[in-house]
Amino acid sequence: GNSVTQMEGPVTLSEEAFLTINCTYTATGYPSLFWYVQYPGEGLQLLLKATKADDKGSNKGFEATYRKETTSFHLEKGSVQVSDSAVYFCALTDSNFGNEKLTFGTGTRLTIIP
Amino acid sequence: EAGVTQFPSHSVIEKGQTVTLRCDPISGHDNLYWYRRVMGKEIKFLLHFVKESKQDESGMPNNRFLAERTGGTYSTLKVQPAELEDSGVYFCASSQDAGPLRDRNSPLHFGNGTRLTVT
Repeated sequence: GNSVTQMEGPVTLSEEAFLTINCTYTATGYPSLFWYVQYPGEGLQLLLKATKADDKGSNKGFEATYRKETTSFHLEKGSVQVSDSAVYFCALTDSNFGNEKLTFGTGTRLTIIP
Repeated sequence: EAGVTQFPSHSVIEKGQTVTLRCDPISGHDNLYWYRRVMGKEIKFLLHFVKESKQDESGMPNNRFLAERTGGTYSTLKVQPAELEDSGVYFCASSQDAGPLRDRNSPLHFGNGTRLTVT
């Protein structure tokens, strides 16, 4: 079955540091890949997505590249801000038409200190 | 527009009791989903409604869980009787678009979740 493995947190960084949150996946076929973010007291929001190999998703300074050869979708940001403190979830959806389930990872809590 | 609303935000009940969670999707959204995150683990899919019909309920853990969406508007998720392992955060999401998630222009809109604690 499908699964997503994220680096374990929590992760604490200083403001303006470089961020990488690792994500690897196991899936049949050609899944689409997503990063969702949950800010304190809020619901999950889609941060970015990539639907085929070598696609790069980007939003709010975050980037992730769909790497089929390494089955990875690592999240990166060049210079983090305090406002980026949140829980980040990597997720995938199956390539089969009609399958609309998201399979999530365990989430990585990120804290940015001034 | 109002977002996805869930209530209660928190619920603490004793093992064996019954709890009903409610989700109000964004108006006009035919697709409604329930997910849950147990004990800080991964968020897992429970089920998917299209209007009032259950499109996919493959993630429902057992028959102690009953989801309904009468009239195709709000949805309820009842747990009866609750067990300790049911503790976690229950998320609801809605979407206007149909078809595979990867093709949608509008993403899933998640509510803030209901934190359920069974003691």
